[in-house]
Amino acid sequence: AQSVTQPDIHITVSEGASLELRCNYSYGATPYLFWYVQSPGQGLQLLLKYFSGDTLVQGIKGFEAEFKRSQSSFNLRKPSVHWSDAAEYFCAVKAAGNKLTFGGGTRVLVKP
Amino acid sequence: GAGVSQSPSNKVTEKGKDVELRCDPISGHTALYWYRQSLGQGLEFLIYFQGNSAPDKSGLPSDRFSAERTGGSVSTLTIQRTQQEDSAVYLCASSLSSGTDQETQYFGPGTRLLVL
Repeated sequence: AQSVTQPDIHITVSEGASLELRCNYSYGATPYLFWYVQSPGQGLQLLLKYFSGDTLVQGIKGFEAEFKRSQSSFNLRKPSVHWSDAAEYFCAVKAAGNKLTFGGGTRVLVKP
Repeated sequence: GAGVSQSPSNKVTEKGKDVELRCDPISGHTALYWYRQSLGQGLEFLIYFQGNSAPDKSGLPSDRFSAERTGGSVSTLTIQRTQQEDSAVYLCASSLSSGTDQETQYFGPGTRLLVL
């Protein structure tokens, strides 16, 4: 069965600094990968997705992610963080079937 | 257009009571999903609908949980004889279809359930 690991439970970053959130997946073939963001009291908003092709994908709000098959990773990055990026971020994999399997999430705190 | 909507946004109930949670998917989306988000278990899949059928109910935690979907649109998740461990945020998502694996799921704001 597929699984997703987000090693960092919390990350604190200064406003304007760069951000990288780690995601590792376990699946036998190439999975379909997603990053979602959840602001307090809100549902999940899709940031970006990878299905195939170019391994560097661009998303909304200035985020990008890179799929690395050799490392089974799909890390999320943003060059310059804004205070509004404070939220919880979830990596998810969709393998065979229809359900998403989520990582445990990384909560991002932005310092002024 | 309108996104996925869920009601109520918050629900407080007493242990042993039944609750119904509602999900309105994005118009035209034939696939609908329920997930549960709890502190101890993270985000877990519960059930998936394609049209009015539920080909995958593997995530429903017990027979106290059931869900239905009517008219290929609105879905209701019912929890009977609620227990305190049912306290969680219940999220609904929809996607255009499930004909291919390349379908993006769009989530609603969730229903926060508290069982006292």
